[in-house]
Amino acid sequence: GEDVEQSLFLSVREGDSSVINCTYTDSSSTYLYWYKQEPGAGLQLLTYIFSNMDMKQDQRLTVLLNKKDKHLSLRIADTQTGDSAIYFCAEKDYGQNFVFGPGTRLSVLP
Amino acid sequence: DAGVIQSPRHEVTEMGQEVTLRCKPISGHNSLFWYRQTMMRGLELLIYFNNNVPIDDSGMPEDRFSAKMPNASFSTLKIQPSEPRDSAVYFCASSPTGDTQYFGPGTRLTVL
Repeated sequence: GEDVEQSLFLSVREGDSSVINCTYTDSSSTYLYWYKQEPGAGLQLLTYIFSNMDMKQDQRLTVLLNKKDKHLSLRIADTQTGDSAIYFCAEKDYGQNFVFGPGTRLSVLP
Repeated sequence: DAGVIQSPRHEVTEMGQEVTLRCKPISGHNSLFWYRQTMMRGLELLIYFNNNVPIDDSGMPEDRFSAKMPNASFSTLKIQPSEPRDSAVYFCASSPTGDTQYFGPGTRLTVL
C-alpha cells in the first residue's frame, strides 16, 4: 500500500529556518498536506499543495514539491518556540484515502 | 465556527465495558472520518462517511468496533467490549469537499 516517510526528530535554534522533509510512494497523489500537532491537541491543517504545483508560500511557510522524486518539504522561516510541535505529512489519492506519515517532532532551542 | 467537537475529552474505563465516543462535525461538511493515534502505530484511519453513509470501514480493527452517523451533525464510535489495547487517542475529522480535513481535539481513551 501507499507509504509516507518522515524523519522523526529535528532540532533548530530560534530564528533559524526549519526544513522538514517527507517522501511518499503513491504516484496518484492529488493533494499533499502538512499538519501541526501540539501536545494534547488535534491535528491542525497548516497548508496543502495540489500535485500539479511545485511550490506554495504562505507567510513563514514554504512548501516545495518534487513530484518526480515524490519528495515534499516544509520550510518554516524564522522559527519560533511556538513552532515546537509534531508535523505530519499526508497525501491523498483520487479517492478519500488519506495516508499520514509518522510525524516529525520539531524542537526549537532558545 | 466552533470547529469539530468531540466528547468526552478523556475516558477511563475498565476492560469489558462499553465505550461510546461522540463527534459533531463542522456544519456543512459532508465527510466525516474517525482516526486512532498511538505511539506504536501512528495515525490510523478507522472509517469514513460521505453524506452520512459509511464508505470505507476497512480500518476498523475488529467487530468490537462500530461507528454510526445517524445525521449530518453527529457520529459515534462504539467499542464493545473494550480491551486495554484499545487505549489510544481517537480523533474525528470532517471535510467540506473530501480534499481537506479538519480535526477535532480528540478523545484520550484509557482502558484498564
